[in-house]
Parts: sequence; structure tokens; C-alpha cells
Amino acid sequence: NAGVTQTPKFQVLKTGQSMTLQCAQDMNHNSMYWYRQDPGMGLRLIYYSASEGTTDKGEVPNGYNVSRLNKREFSLRLESAAPSQTSVYFCASISHRGQEETQYFGPGTRLLVL
Amino acid sequence: AQSVTQLDSQVPVFEEAPVELRCNYSSSVSVYLFWYVQYPNQGLQLLLKYLSGSTLVKGINGFEAEFNKSQTSFHLRKPSVHISDTAEYFCAVRYLFSGGYNKLIFGAGTRLAVHP
Repeated sequence: NAGVTQTPKFQVLKTGQSMTLQCAQDMNHNSMYWYRQDPGMGLRLIYYSASEGTTDKGEVPNGYNVSRLNKREFSLRLESAAPSQTSVYFCASISHRGQEETQYFGPGTRLLVL
Repeated sequence: AQSVTQLDSQVPVFEEAPVELRCNYSSSVSVYLFWYVQYPNQGLQLLLKYLSGSTLVKGINGFEAEFNKSQTSFHLRKPSVHISDTAEYFCAVRYLFSGGYNKLIFGAGTRLAVHP
């Protein structure tokens, strides 16, 4: 049981390049999320997926697209990277059992856009 | 709009002193409340959570928090801090809307610096 995994751990892009951040969870969770973390701003939700086959915008979706490929995987794509997208990106999945809820975060992807 | 406010961006404290990290949130619906810790260059680790029941919640590493519904607050406390508690702490609130996605909103974080 690996929990939530993210690849890559680090990435440097030039402005205008594209890339996909990968996230996978092996806990059979329905809900998955992408956040970005910036100094002094906490974590902000980019996109989320409440279940396989559904995705919705969060607080800061502009410049990003997502794909919920299957129950395990939820990828985040930057079509044309901008310096403002320099950030640390966290993927998370959530377990719901009745009223009990537990959140699991990946280790993060550090992205630098030059 | 939903929002989570961590009132102090930085809290310096001496080792073995008590500490309180403050968190307030806007509320028009039911909420779940969480505190996370992030050590340098690491991911988020759950310290404690309030879902229902007793308003005083105990977590890992000797931390506790109290849910105050009337003041819409969820302050984090520790009676005696250690150097190893130096980290960034995030308050998070899940707003429970009927029939749809339940948003999880994070505060901006409080950097706790413990000095010898």
C-alpha cells in the first residue's frame, strides 16, 4: 500500500512548455484533488474529482486541465506553462466512511517555470 | 464565500513554553475542522481533526484543539513545545453542503519557530 504517489518530484520548464503531473492512489478512494501551495497562501484547490469520470474546478483552475483516467489516477496538465505557475503541487485523496473522513496527501511536485 | 483565517503568519516561542496557533473560519453551514503540520521540504501530516462530538480534540505530538462554534474558531494549543515542533501549521475547514461536493479550504499557514 503506497498511499498517494506523485511524479515527478521536481520539474523545471520554460515558459510555454507543456507537462503533465501524475498522481495515483491505491486505496480505492473515490475523491481526488489537486492543490498548489505558495508562500503565505496555504493550499489552494485547482481541480477535484468526486468520482471516476467526473471533474470540477476549484479555486484556481485557470491554466490547468485534469483527467481522471480511472479510479486510481488523476493527472494535472499545464498546456502552456507560465512563471506564475511556479509552485509546489500536492495531490490528495479522501476516504469517506460514514461520518469518518481521512485525507491522504502525496509528497508534492516542485515546479519551476522560467 | 468560505474562508479560513490564520491570524498569525509567524509565531516565535521559547522551548518548553506553551503555544496557541489561532484559526477562524467563516461559516454558514456545518463544518469539519483539521490541523496539519508541514516540516521543511515535506508533505502535509494530519495533526488532529474535529468531525463531531467533544469539542476538545487531542492529536499527535501533544497537540490539542478546541472547536468553538459560536466564535467559529479552532485554535491549536500545546502546553510545552520542543525544538522539533518548528514547522508550518495549516488549519483546514471542510464545508458540508447538501447534495454536492464538500469544499476543503486551507488557511495561509502559521510558521512556528521554537527557540532554545
